[in-house]
Amino acid sequence: AQSVAQPEDQVNVAEGNPLTVKCTYSVSGNPYLFWYVQYPNRGLQFLLKYITGDNLVKGSYGFEAEFNKSQTSFHLKKPSALVSDSALYFCAVRPKRVDRLAFGKGNQVVVIP
Amino acid sequence: DAGVTQSPTHLIKTRGQQVTLRCSPKSGHDTVSWYQQALGQGPQFIFQYYEEEERQRGNFPDRFSGHQFPNYSSELNVNALLLGDSALYLCASSGDRDYEQYFGPGTRLTVT
Repeated sequence: AQSVAQPEDQVNVAEGNPLTVKCTYSVSGNPYLFWYVQYPNRGLQFLLKYITGDNLVKGSYGFEAEFNKSQTSFHLKKPSALVSDSALYFCAVRPKRVDRLAFGKGNQVVVIP
Repeated sequence: DAGVTQSPTHLIKTRGQQVTLRCSPKSGHDTVSWYQQALGQGPQFIFQYYEEEERQRGNFPDRFSGHQFPNYSSELNVNALLLGDSALYLCASSGDRDYEQYFGPGTRLTVT
C-alpha cells in the first residue's frame, strides 16, 4: 500500500520569507514524486516532479523540492514567498510501473503581506 | 493547445439519481484518469481508461463506471447517488512520454 503524509494542515509565512511544505511517503520501491497546487475552485496545477538523478528539482513559479531517500521525504520549498502563493498544495506519489497517483491530504499555505 | 476540459462545471442531483460527467484530454494524450476529491481531502483515484478500456481501478464501488471514446474523451457515470458522493470530480490525462498527469478544472457534484 502507498501513503503520503503532509503533517501540517496550514502553513503561515510572511511575504518574502522562505516557504517549506513538508511531505513524507510510504511506498515500495523507488516511486516518482510530484507536487501540485490548487487555487480556489480550480483543478490541480503541476508544479514539479522527481523521477531520478539530482535530489534537488526545480519547478514552476520559483518552487523547488528536495528528495531524501533515507527519510522518504520530498519537501517543497520556495526561497521568498509571495502573497499569490497562497493556495492548497498537494504531494503525490506514483509507483514506477503503475500510472496512478496517491495524494496527501494537502496543506493550506497562507502568505501574509 | 487546449488543456484538459470537463463539463459541466457544477451539478446538483438528488439521492438515488444517476449522473454523467465528461472529460476531454489534453491534445496528444491517450490516457484518462478520474479522481474524487471530497471537501478537505486529497484526490482519490477512481479508475483509468486507456485504449477504450478500464486499465486499473481504485477502491470505489461498481456504482462508479466509465467509458472512453475513440477520440480519447471519457465519461464518468455514477448510479444510485448517495449524499457521500458529493465532491469535486477531477479528470486527468497523460501520454506515453509523461510521468505527470494534467488535471482539468473539475466538476463540483452536490447530492441533496
